[in-house]
Amino acid sequence: GENVEQHPSTLSVQEGDSAVIKCTYSDSASNYFPWYKQELGKRPQLIIDIRSNVGEKKDQRIAVTLNKTAKHFSLHITETQPEDSAVYFCAVHNAGNMLTFGGGTRLMVKP
Amino acid sequence: SAVISQKPSRDICQRGTSLTIQCQVDSQVTMMFWYRQQPGQSLTLIATANQGSEATYESGFVIDKFPISRPNLTFSTLTVSNMSPEDSSIYLCSVVKRGARREETDTQYFGPGTRLTVL
Repeated sequence: GENVEQHPSTLSVQEGDSAVIKCTYSDSASNYFPWYKQELGKRPQLIIDIRSNVGEKKDQRIAVTLNKTAKHFSLHITETQPEDSAVYFCAVHNAGNMLTFGGGTRLMVKP
Repeated sequence: SAVISQKPSRDICQRGTSLTIQCQVDSQVTMMFWYRQQPGQSLTLIATANQGSEATYESGFVIDKFPISRPNLTFSTLTVSNMSPEDSSIYLCSVVKRGARREETDTQYFGPGTRLTVL
């Protein structure tokens, strides 16, 4: 089955700095890569996603890049704010129509 | 998007008992899933709830322990049977919503979760 690894597990940045979270996956047939943000006590919320026919996608301060050859994709958050503090999960969607999640990254943005 | 509700939002149960969690969606969806999220951990897929047939379980999860019903395209239940403290977790319902237009992607949404504590 699909194996998704996410790094780092925790990330602490100063407000205004950038944060980068990286995920690798094993199944080359995987075709959809969403990122979820989960605030404490709340449900995971989709924040951005990318399909395998696109290398990069941006939405305001967040962007996702995909390298299909190397089988990795990354979440980039610029100009971080305290409200960006949360746990972020990458996920990989395969032909079985299911998501496999990475282990999560706890992002802490210090004011 | 999809509006998903779950009941109960939380419960504290005694070991050996069973709890049924309900998931209601505001529109018909084909794909419906149940996940478990243990404290400080990632999301683990328990099973796919299939309408009109038996659920499809992931490795490590069995029907006797986690029976699932899916009577229609907007509702599902997950039962946690014969509970032990190891079952203490958050259980999340999730659905896939088709994009409104052909070029839009399918998106997976999560319910608010049910926080279960087993004593």
